Amino acid sequence: AQKITQTQPGMFVQEKEAVTLDCTYDTSDQSYGLFWYKQPSSGEMIFLIYQGSYDEQNATEGRYSLNFQKARKSANLVISASQLGDSAMYFCAMREVQGGNNRLAFGKGNQVVVIP
Amino acid sequence: GAGVSQSPRYKVTKRGQDVALRCDPISGHVSLYWYRQALGQGPEFLTYFNYEAQQDKSGLPNDRFSAERPEGSISTLTIQRTEQRDSAMYRCASSLAAWGAPIDTDTQYFGPGTRLTVL
Repeated sequence: AQKITQTQPGMFVQEKEAVTLDCTYDTSDQSYGLFWYKQPSSGEMIFLIYQGSYDEQNATEGRYSLNFQKARKSANLVISASQLGDSAMYFCAMREVQGGNNRLAFGKGNQVVVIP
Repeated sequence: GAGVSQSPRYKVTKRGQDVALRCDPISGHVSLYWYRQALGQGPEFLTYFNYEAQQDKSGLPNDRFSAERPEGSISTLTIQRTEQRDSAMYRCASSLAAWGAPIDTDTQYFGPGTRLTVL
């Protein structure tokens, strides 16, 4: 069963605008972590931001913020003031703590293209 | 400091050959992970180590795939008798925390990957 769902088609966003990338997840665990990674065309996987399931505040990291809605099981990434260098594939991932399993389960990604 | 490094960055091989992919984690990182990423997909878990112990190999697709980390640092993923369906990006990641440690400390940092093409 798919644990992470990212279903948005490729997105075009104007430079300096904000963009929201959707991510929903499926778990029966009470304790888990949610991660977002950026994959530019060069192919690297760059860690952006983390949200713990017990964190009451939404995570923020510079221009990145995570809109965490636990009851809806969603963890949307918001990129503010988009820059040309933000053009990339963005992956949402979840780590479940139960059983001490450290694996990350990834979604299929959201493609973002920033246009000047 | 230096990030996760992987070698080779690109590997082209003929079907039936064995390949060995190397990963050098961030210095001091206890945990090391292998993932495989097909085109247009997110990475899929293969296996992971804490120090030299292989804690979980449930993601390895079949017995042609194996991994080791004999001294708790560098790891090698070996694919024997390669098949065309093995073609993918193979990614290694490392994290600071050991198994069971608080999740907050367990961000996985990825290497650049090895692009494997099996002809």
